[in-house]
Amino acid sequence: QITLKESGPTLVKPTQTLTLTCTFSGFSLSTIGVGVGWIRQPPGKALEWLALIYWNDDKRYRASLKSRLTITKDTSKNQVVLGMTNMDPVDTATYFCSHSQTDVFDFWGQGILVTVSS
Amino acid sequence: DIQMTQSPSTLSASLGDRVTISCRASQSINNWLAWFQQKPGKAPKLLIHKGSSLESGVPSRFSGSGSGTEFTLTISSLQADDSATYYCQQYNSYWTFGQGTKVEIK
Repeated sequence: QITLKESGPTLVKPTQTLTLTCTFSGFSLSTIGVGVGWIRQPPGKALEWLALIYWNDDKRYRASLKSRLTITKDTSKNQVVLGMTNMDPVDTATYFCSHSQTDVFDFWGQGILVTVSS
Repeated sequence: DIQMTQSPSTLSASLGDRVTISCRASQSINNWLAWFQQKPGKAPKLLIHKGSSLESGVPSRFSGSGSGTEFTLTISSLQADDSATYYCQQYNSYWTFGQGTKVEIK
């Protein structure tokens, strides 16, 4: 079955760079039509899509955050990494990674709460 | 950017009630719409994709309808386990979520 799990720091300081890793199993990121996306949710607020990487290494970024985001994949390790530069307290949120099949987010990780504070 | 607007923001209904949540897109998204259920502290769960296609394992009391810019999620007979926040999401052009609808049991 498909599983995903987010890992990384739970506390970062303002201006630092956040690096999150999504480790998955049950599918291959080499399969046509498959992608892995990142979505975040500030406490008590709505979901916000951030980035997605496809099986062919095509990448999509949220326009308002594009300058701060980087998404990469390591197919051999079954991992997708999200980088976000210049972190600010408003970036405090639970960050989820998700499997995408033809652009539908059908399986999600449990999420990781990242707090930005000095 | 495509904006998604849900209504109402919160609704309170009794067990067995028929519940309807609306979702409006700022431009046509054809049928590229998904509905998610999220419970506190949990990841969202996909209920419906392509506007009306029910995910495997999702109870048949959930249904989706609509096309273009107007969509609806219906729970035909509200159960206690349905207490959650529901989000619509378009995937016609990148991905955008609605602001959520919290469903409470009276």
